[in-house]
Amino acid sequence: QKEVEQNSGPLSVPEGAIASLNCTYSDRVSQSFFWYRQYSGKSPELIMSIYSNGDKEDGRFTAQLNKASQYVSLLIRDSQPSDSATYLCAVNIFNTGGFKTIFGAGTRLFVKA
Amino acid sequence: ETGVTQTPRHLVMGMTNKKSLKCEQHLGHNAMYWYKQSAKKPLELMFVYNFKEQTENNSVPSRFSPECPNSSHLFLHLHTLQPEDSALYLCASSQESASGSSYEQFFGPGTRLTVL
Repeated sequence: QKEVEQNSGPLSVPEGAIASLNCTYSDRVSQSFFWYRQYSGKSPELIMSIYSNGDKEDGRFTAQLNKASQYVSLLIRDSQPSDSATYLCAVNIFNTGGFKTIFGAGTRLFVKA
Repeated sequence: ETGVTQTPRHLVMGMTNKKSLKCEQHLGHNAMYWYKQSAKKPLELMFVYNFKEQTENNSVPSRFSPECPNSSHLFLHLHTLQPEDSALYLCASSQESASGSSYEQFFGPGTRLTVL
């Protein structure tokens, strides 16, 4: 099992809809979780960080964390064509030698106008 | 300058050349990273420097040589590269706690490397 898993997509949603992106992780002691957005040919850009169970909202973005089920999700409300990008989930995982941040392979999102 | 900067932004080199990539972070962080991202592939962690000491080296070929002279600067020295090394090379920085847990990583714009 991969340490951080995401559906590669593509996930296609119409403009104005809610896009739901999911991520599962293997390490029960993980404490820090991050979502990044990466446009084609560009570097990843941090969208949200979440550290405790529940929801965290920032504008049109909501991160949801469920440590018992080991998943973290990102909801994008009122999706816009400019949201079309690859979304990377990252989890701070404890390994021999300490913590390290593991990135998922990313989910490609297309928002159709 | 703010955030994380990288130079050059684009680099074309032959297999016999020697070149260096430079990264500088202006965020006061204590950890810096090199990643490789090939076309349509996930991020691959290459090197981690924590408090200027290399703490991770994910079996990267010796033709890639990192250097971290201080907590703000990171270099990646390249020599006798192969065409399959063509990729986007990303630098990132973060703040690591005493326990080793790290906060968010912030990325530079990357260097697009082409090896002929």
